[in-house]
Amino acid sequence: GAVVSQHPSRVICKSGTSVKIECRSLDFQATTMFWYRQFPKKSLMLMATSNEGSKATYEQGVEKDKFLINHASLTLSTLTVTSAHPEDSSFYICSARRGLAGEMETQYFGPGTRLLVL
Amino acid sequence: RKEVEQDPGPFNVPEGATVAFNCTYSNSASQSFFWYRQDCRKEPKLLMSVYSSGNEDGRFTAQLNRASQYISLLIRDSKLSDSATYLCVVRGSARQLTFGSGTQLTVLP
Repeated sequence: GAVVSQHPSRVICKSGTSVKIECRSLDFQATTMFWYRQFPKKSLMLMATSNEGSKATYEQGVEKDKFLINHASLTLSTLTVTSAHPEDSSFYICSARRGLAGEMETQYFGPGTRLLVL
Repeated sequence: RKEVEQDPGPFNVPEGATVAFNCTYSNSASQSFFWYRQDCRKEPKLLMSVYSSGNEDGRFTAQLNRASQYISLLIRDSKLSDSATYLCVVRGSARQLTFGSGTQLTVLP
């Protein structure tokens, strides 16, 4: 199956700093990637849809100026949590969509990044 | 009302037992349906897609009832390795995935 990587897998930072998370599709090109957040014992919640070469589409309630998304190439999307606060501590997971609409498209998930803001 | 609702469990069953999970979704325009498995502190992984005719993959059987907007997963002959959280996932017309909150399963020796 297709592989999606995320880096870093875990990060601890001080309140007020910014953290960048990378998501890469290793063996296919992904025009669309997704960023999710999961709090303990809760479901994955879609934060934003990242489109290569254009602006990301954010879900309601997600601050675009706080969670900066850049999808500069067909294999890389980055999420930057700016001025992180303890309430941003969560499990951030990206996914990359493979296949075109009408085909058996599949989303492949990265292994996630666990963020702890002190 | 949540878009995708699941019984959170936990379900604690002995090895060899049969266990069933249910899920309902609110958007009648939903197009595709899946069960994902998520192990503790890991990313979700696709277990199986769910088709209207019902489908089976080894010990796992999935059913979809579009009229009732209801999805089920049946696991037969449970193994210790089946212990995980099972996520009901729905894809809408916008091709985005919506996740249920998951049902936790623990298979006991």
